[in-house]
Amino acid sequence: SQQGEEDPQALSIQEGENATMNCSYKTSINNLQWYRQNSGRGLVHLILIRSNEREKHSGRLRVTLDTSKKSSSLLITASRAADTASYFCASLGSGTYKYIFGTGTRLKVLA
Amino acid sequence: DGGITQSPKYLFRKEGQNVTLSCEQNLNHDAMYWYRQDPGQGLRLIYYSQIVNDFQKGDIAEGYSVSREKKESFPLTVTSAQKNPTAFYLCASSDRTSGTTNEQFFGPGTRLTVL
Repeated sequence: SQQGEEDPQALSIQEGENATMNCSYKTSINNLQWYRQNSGRGLVHLILIRSNEREKHSGRLRVTLDTSKKSSSLLITASRAADTASYFCASLGSGTYKYIFGTGTRLKVLA
Repeated sequence: DGGITQSPKYLFRKEGQNVTLSCEQNLNHDAMYWYRQDPGQGLRLIYYSQIVNDFQKGDIAEGYSVSREKKESFPLTVTSAQKNPTAFYLCASSDRTSGTTNEQFFGPGTRLTVL
């Protein structure tokens, strides 16, 4: 399978806690992106990190990229019930327009 | 409003019928994509198009066909050859500014059910 992998598959935390999810990919990349999907909806872009970047922040989101390990992590700080959703990483291979999506992490934030 | 629209939102098909899912974007993006999502799964690429009148097969193209006659439109036909078409179908587009592919913008999806 060309799909990337994410772990954990599911994560349940209390409001106010931090949530960390990890993504692994298989080939060299141009960039890696994280998306959020609410149940039954389309995906919403959260953050993009390029292959020459190691860390990026956007509001309560922090993304890291380790190209030597072919892995990325998404940290959501001070989580809220509204953060409940599925989160996907998508890697864009070098010299291609084809995105490879991970299998997703289902996050549930309990109020 | 700029964005991507997909229609219909829900589609029911009898076995043996072909159906066409619509995807339109007014973002002036060159690249467009079709994905299939099964319950609890990630997205799998069906077809993608980098430019008008050109498209490439993705990982699961069998039983599907596309056309890209206009920049704004990338319809997907699910043919009777697709053995298990019941799924959620997502269309996306992206820009190629400065030779770098950026984020994808997604439509709201079409849920196809075969009866």
